[in-house]
Amino acid sequence: EAGVAQSPRYKIIEKRQSVAFWCNPISGHATLYWYQQILGQGPKLLIQFQNNGVVDDSQLPKDRFSAERLKGVDSTLKIQPAKLEDSAVYLCASSYAQGGELFFGEGSRLTVL
Amino acid sequence: AQSVTQPDIHITVSEGASLELRCNYSYGATPYLFWYVQSPGQGLQLLLKYFSGDTLVQGIKGFEAEFKRSQSSFNLRKPSVHWSDAAEYFCAVVVDYKLSFGAGTTVTVRA
Repeated sequence: EAGVAQSPRYKIIEKRQSVAFWCNPISGHATLYWYQQILGQGPKLLIQFQNNGVVDDSQLPKDRFSAERLKGVDSTLKIQPAKLEDSAVYLCASSYAQGGELFFGEGSRLTVL
Repeated sequence: AQSVTQPDIHITVSEGASLELRCNYSYGATPYLFWYVQSPGQGLQLLLKYFSGDTLVQGIKGFEAEFKRSQSSFNLRKPSVHWSDAAEYFCAVVVDYKLSFGAGTTVTVRA
């Protein structure tokens, strides 16, 4: 069974530029999550989708971050414009249902200069 | 508000020695509890989980954890550590369908 796929694995941009990350969850998983992991901290939930609807985006900085899951399968997380403090690993995870076991991708490491 | 606390930021242990990582949670009811491991440059891998029932939970890679309601703890243990266990370990709790992580404990294994 294929795992959660994420791309790109690494991205370096300058502040005020934009960046997009892509995630393809495990086939059949209805719930998709984006987490932000800053160095030395635990992952923090940014947004949670159930199919193509948003369940929770309370910790998403909506002035610069956006995410979509239009067809209820893969998802894109965008940052525009990026700030230095956005440097982090962005982890995508999926689960069969809400509250179920999460499976994580390897993450996309963003460096903002 | 619920939270997960991992009191130890960094632990160094000798290969072959035992390991215990502490995790405390604050939540009124019995939460769903997890331990994840993250090796350098890798994603998070589930070690074990507790939903209900037997309070001693067995996981992969020889790890186990014990849920103690009286202490609001879910400590992770391994009797004999291998060099490949060097990684970062995260305790996590699900409340209202959301998974929240502790800050993590980095484990260094010395020969």
